[in-house]
Amino acid sequence: GQNIDQPTEMTATEGAIVQINCTYQTSGFNGLFWYQQHAGEAPTFLSYNVLDGLEEKGRFSSFLSRSKGYSYLLLKELQMKDSASYLCAVRDETGGYNKLIFGAGTRLAVHP
Amino acid sequence: DAGVTQSPTHLIKTRGQQVTLRCSPKSGHDTVSWYQQALGQGPQFIFQYYEEEERQRGNFPDRFSGHQFPNYSSELNVNALLLGDSALYLCASSFGERYEQYFGPGTRLTVT
Repeated sequence: GQNIDQPTEMTATEGAIVQINCTYQTSGFNGLFWYQQHAGEAPTFLSYNVLDGLEEKGRFSSFLSRSKGYSYLLLKELQMKDSASYLCAVRDETGGYNKLIFGAGTRLAVHP
Repeated sequence: DAGVTQSPTHLIKTRGQQVTLRCSPKSGHDTVSWYQQALGQGPQFIFQYYEEEERQRGNFPDRFSGHQFPNYSSELNVNALLLGDSALYLCASSFGERYEQYFGPGTRLTVT
């Protein structure tokens, strides 16, 4: 089966660092995505990992461990505009074609 | 370069009715995927279209059907609407199924 777990809610202070964890169990893993979604808006792409290790992109970094079925998204120098839901999505290749399986999302609230 | 567009933005329907939602992919993209996102949840994969054919399908009943046109645009049809079909319907496009998906702004469907 397929299962993706991430915390429901997190809070953090402006200027701080926050780490959002994601664990997954899928049969046809072919990469992991992180998306940001502000309330009422479409998800926007943040990062993609297919190999183990850390990918850094400005204030955002994402880490993947395939053997542990684990990823995290690290947000540095938090800003108020970072208050949003963060979606972990696994690209699943079961059946020969790729599709995205999303977690329920982590709602991050950044406070002054 | 226009991104993914969807219409309409909002829609209110009554139980038992039928609805058609439309999506135009990002320029250069040939694959369209549809997702249903209930409030407070992550997007759930409905189906994916490529070369005018449904290539794979998620766990949704036959009431959900779709179509892709030669210009790569796509429609999602839902028959015999239920209250539980109320959700944000997201369309995502990509170049093939191996690459990053870009999401449209979504159609908010309310079934009363």
